[in-house]
Amino acid sequence: QSVLTQPPSASGIPGQTVTISCSGGSSNIGSNYVYWYRQYPGTAPKVVIYKTYQRPSGVPDRFSGSKSGTSASLAISGLRSEDEADYYCASWEDSLRGPVFGGGTKLTVL
Amino acid sequence: QVQLVQSGAELKKPGASVKVSCKASGYTFTNFHLHWVRQAPGQGLEWMGGINPGGGSTTYSQKFQGRIAMTRDTSTSTAYMELSSLSSEDTAVYYCGKVSEASIWYSLIDSWGQGTLVAVSS
Repeated sequence: QSVLTQPPSASGIPGQTVTISCSGGSSNIGSNYVYWYRQYPGTAPKVVIYKTYQRPSGVPDRFSGSKSGTSASLAISGLRSEDEADYYCASWEDSLRGPVFGGGTKLTVL
Repeated sequence: QVQLVQSGAELKKPGASVKVSCKASGYTFTNFHLHWVRQAPGQGLEWMGGINPGGGSTTYSQKFQGRIAMTRDTSTSTAYMELSSLSSEDTAVYYCGKVSEASIWYSLIDSWGQGTLVAVSS
């Protein structure tokens, strides 16, 4: 049981916008930054959004992050086949003094 | 560019210990905390603990308290994670990760190692 809650799956067609949600609490998302990671099978995760809204260099502006209260979202616009992957949200958990993760969302591009 | 290179795959017997290394380059090793995260087959990401390479202080997930130790060697910019009393439930890929903000604990990972598979089997 993950501390942060994500839908297990999401899907969209090429060109569409898909949004993945991440729900937490006041001691994690509510008071700390949110990070989003993309993971292809058999490879390490890679950050696509850090500090809730920031995109690392090399990540296209089709990726955007947002937060409201104790929930966060990752939006991917102009969906492409290479976006098909697992996506994880993460945030610092004050009570744990460590990061917590969502269970992951498998994104399928139809 | 930031690189974290981990040691190779390990096969261990139940009850044994494993020590995984993570060699950092491309940034000032002592300025950024490092965390260890594992991923069991087909499962999600699980935080194990973190280390401040500057001073050596550590924080561990309660789940692993008593059988985990994180250390570092600043002369080689290498961090280590040792897990003891292994069982089949410890079979997973183990990742190290550098945080995005210098000198603070509550930052999260922005660069990951390639992962180290640890398999536990009799």
